[in-house]
Amino acid sequence: QTVVTQEPSLSVSPGGTVTLTCASSTGAVTSGSFPNWFQQKPGQAPTPLISDISNRHSWTPGRFSGSLLGGKAALTVSGVQPEDEAEYYCLLYFGGAQPWVFGGGTKLTVL
Amino acid sequence: QVQLVQSGADMRKPGASVKISCRASRDTFAGYFIHWARQAPGQGLEWIGGVGPMSGETRSAPKLQGRVTMTWDPSINTAYMELSRLTSDDTAVYYCAGETFRTNVKCFDSWGQGTLVTVSS
Repeated sequence: QTVVTQEPSLSVSPGGTVTLTCASSTGAVTSGSFPNWFQQKPGQAPTPLISDISNRHSWTPGRFSGSLLGGKAALTVSGVQPEDEAEYYCLLYFGGAQPWVFGGGTKLTVL
Repeated sequence: QVQLVQSGADMRKPGASVKISCRASRDTFAGYFIHWARQAPGQGLEWIGGVGPMSGETRSAPKLQGRVTMTWDPSINTAYMELSRLTSDDTAVYYCAGETFRTNVKCFDSWGQGTLVTVSS
């Protein structure tokens, strides 16, 4: 069974920078994994942030950026705002019988 | 961007089935796929499966195969997800999500508002 791993929790001060990562149990995350990132606040549906490693949606603030880092997908938030406190999920593509797998999510706390 | 609107909350007894709808705001197109995911209380997201409105292709997570059926009604731009033989472990918020795909692109760009399904005797 394929497992996608994220940091369970991270904390950052307002104005700071934080990087969340997304790793695959099958090996390095690549462009063929088509990483997508989502933000979810309590009681709300997920909001798409990033697709295909680094493409922002039109509504995604510029302080959010995606990349590949050390064999993982990464989401960096620069100049963190209090409203960025939320759960963040990555989603990776594997094809085959289980084509898509979500990471377990990272709870980002803005202290 | 396609807007997705789901049906309302539902409660079922163990062993029953539930069918959730997801209506798209406009005609979908080739290169679009509707996925389904769920989130149990206090837990993370789990990919369930999906249907391609133009291709009719369906995919589902191995653990749910045999219990989940995903369909698309083109006359009303609506996707359906039916889950049978429900147990308490199926209690969750169920979401539909839209993916735009083409060569080197797989972009999830819209989500429904979610549908709470409660399984209880």
